[in-house]
Amino acid sequence: EAGVTQFPSHSVIEKGQTVTLRCDPISGHDNLYWYRRVMGKEIKFLLHFVKESKQDESGMPNNRFLAERTGGTYSTLKVQPAELEDSGVYFCASSQDLGRVGDEQFFGPGTRLTVL
Amino acid sequence: RKEVEQDPGPFNVPEGATVAFNCTYSNSASQSFFWYRQDCRKEPKLLMSVYSSGNEDGRFTAQLNRASQYISLLIRDSKLSDSATYLCVVNYGQNFVFGPGTRLSVLP
Repeated sequence: EAGVTQFPSHSVIEKGQTVTLRCDPISGHDNLYWYRRVMGKEIKFLLHFVKESKQDESGMPNNRFLAERTGGTYSTLKVQPAELEDSGVYFCASSQDLGRVGDEQFFGPGTRLTVL
Repeated sequence: RKEVEQDPGPFNVPEGATVAFNCTYSNSASQSFFWYRQDCRKEPKLLMSVYSSGNEDGRFTAQLNRASQYISLLIRDSKLSDSATYLCVVNYGQNFVFGPGTRLSVLP
């Protein structure tokens, strides 16, 4: 079974540009999460989709970040315009909805974003 | 106070040693607890879930103390391949909160 995939694996952009990250969750997983790890810090939650609906976006840092999951399959995370402090590794994770709180999440390999 | 705290290490131990990691969490309503392992420049991967009764998987033993809001991971007979960062993960509602991780280096 294919795991969570993310594209691109690396992205280097200049401050002020736009970048769109993509995540394909494990097939059949209703829950999709975005996380971010900036240099030297712990992994931080950004937002959570259940199917196509945003369940919790309390971790989104500001309105330069826009996440979508049209059709409830893959998700995109757009940063526009990118700032230097947005550099980091963006992880996507997915989990089944087994009716339990906090089911195991499977992580993608991450997208390493560098803003120059 | 951080939501999930861990000793960042690094822990440098010889092969065959036993090593223990601790983690404390602040939200008494948390119900799910995990240890994830993260290799350098890779994604986190689930090592084991942590259950109230404690659980063991081969050389790995996880324990949970709800009263003290404390989780532990014990690794016996360390292998070189155990070198990684170990992340304590606690649910807050539907979402996960990660600790900063503890780095382990197993030395030959």
